Amino acid sequence: DTEVTQTPKHLVMGMTNKKSLKCEQHMGHRAMYWYKQKAKKPPELMFVYSYEKLSINESVPSRFSPECPNSSLLNLHLHALQPEDSALYLCASSQRTVLSSGNTIYFGEGSWLTVV
Amino acid sequence: DAKTTQPTSMDCAEGRAANLPCNHSTISGNEYVYWYRQIHSQGPQYIIHGLKNNETNEMASLIITEDRKSSTLILPHATLRDTAVYYCIVRASPSGSARQLTFGSGTQLTVLP
Repeated sequence: DTEVTQTPKHLVMGMTNKKSLKCEQHMGHRAMYWYKQKAKKPPELMFVYSYEKLSINESVPSRFSPECPNSSLLNLHLHALQPEDSALYLCASSQRTVLSSGNTIYFGEGSWLTVV
Repeated sequence: DAKTTQPTSMDCAEGRAANLPCNHSTISGNEYVYWYRQIHSQGPQYIIHGLKNNETNEMASLIITEDRKSSTLILPHATLRDTAVYYCIVRASPSGSARQLTFGSGTQLTVLP
């Protein structure tokens, strides 16, 4: 069972809507991530937060706006999305950003987003 | 980062061992091999990782060749619930910079009854 909780599990939004995806972990992890996954494709990294600061933005369009209010929460604000943005959005966390022995990345179950 | 090559798909009979290969011929000395799996419509699940030595946990065993250019994930007694896409990922652990998981195409393992 994952200890990374994502809400909502499903979201349908229009292209003019503003919505948010939320992610929460209580494992004391200091690194949190957003990934995007299209159907039949592997997950692709979008953003990385380390100690509540944005450390990596993989050239994601500005219509996606991440926010890390505290070490346990990660939000992804969505505005003016396009139908091609429909995908599974995965949140993940790890003790630190550097991958090393014992520093595993744990994923949530994802939020299915449909843009109409 | 080292690139990985995995077969697109594999079948395995229920109750038999599933052996999933991964080639990572360009792996460097400080790069770990990680395995994740993703059951349909769920988030990726960590399975196991290793550097040089073989590793075993309650889910699987990881066999890394001596030259580290390839590895095999072994599910000792596959069940229908092991049907999933299995990702082999090689990532470095350098100091002073963030290195993240980058997923390849993975292997679709289908466990047959």
